[in-house]
Amino acid sequence: KQEVTQIPAALSVPEGENLVLNCSFTDSAIYNLQWFRQDPGKGLTSLLLIQSSQREQTSGRLNASLDKSSGRSTLYIAASQPGDSATYLCAVLRGAQKLVFGQGTRLTINP
Amino acid sequence: EPEVTQTPSHQVTQMGQEVILRCVPISNHLYFYWYRQILGQKVEFLVSFYNNEISEKSEIFDDQFSVERPDGSNFTLKIRSTKLEDSAMYFCASSDWTQYEQYFGPGTRLTVT
Repeated sequence: KQEVTQIPAALSVPEGENLVLNCSFTDSAIYNLQWFRQDPGKGLTSLLLIQSSQREQTSGRLNASLDKSSGRSTLYIAASQPGDSATYLCAVLRGAQKLVFGQGTRLTINP
Repeated sequence: EPEVTQTPSHQVTQMGQEVILRCVPISNHLYFYWYRQILGQKVEFLVSFYNNEISEKSEIFDDQFSVERPDGSNFTLKIRSTKLEDSAMYFCASSDWTQYEQYFGPGTRLTVT
């Protein structure tokens, strides 16, 4: 059974810092891995999707990496801003049918 | 840009009542999904649907739940007799023939009192 774990559960950093969020999964047989952002009480905003054959994807200040063999992904956020404050979710697509989500990392950027 | 829409955004119902949550997937998509997120918990897969049939369901998706594509545009989740523990945010998603990426709607917050 696929399990997805995100560390840390919460992170608070000053504005301007670079930071890394971690995601690990137990079964390396994945189709892809996706990072989402969720604001309180709101829906899921897709940030980056990495195919199982890829090593990384970049979008603006965000960079996501994938190491399937070790079951790990990281989301790197450069030059953090208060508007980046949200919960970040990692999810792996297994069996082309269902996404398995981690618990999320609640990120707070302090001005 | 096409998007998945869901109605209502918030539904309040009494325990034991039936509710229907509605979704309009992206128009050329073929695969449809429901997920739920209980407050403070992980997003959990409920069911996937293709070609007018359930293709996979989780253990959460018991006989109280059903899904339907009543016409060419809507995809619905019905909960027959709601329980307090059904209170959650319900997300609909859809994907095209590749099933490569799932596109999520904004969610319906269901509150059972």
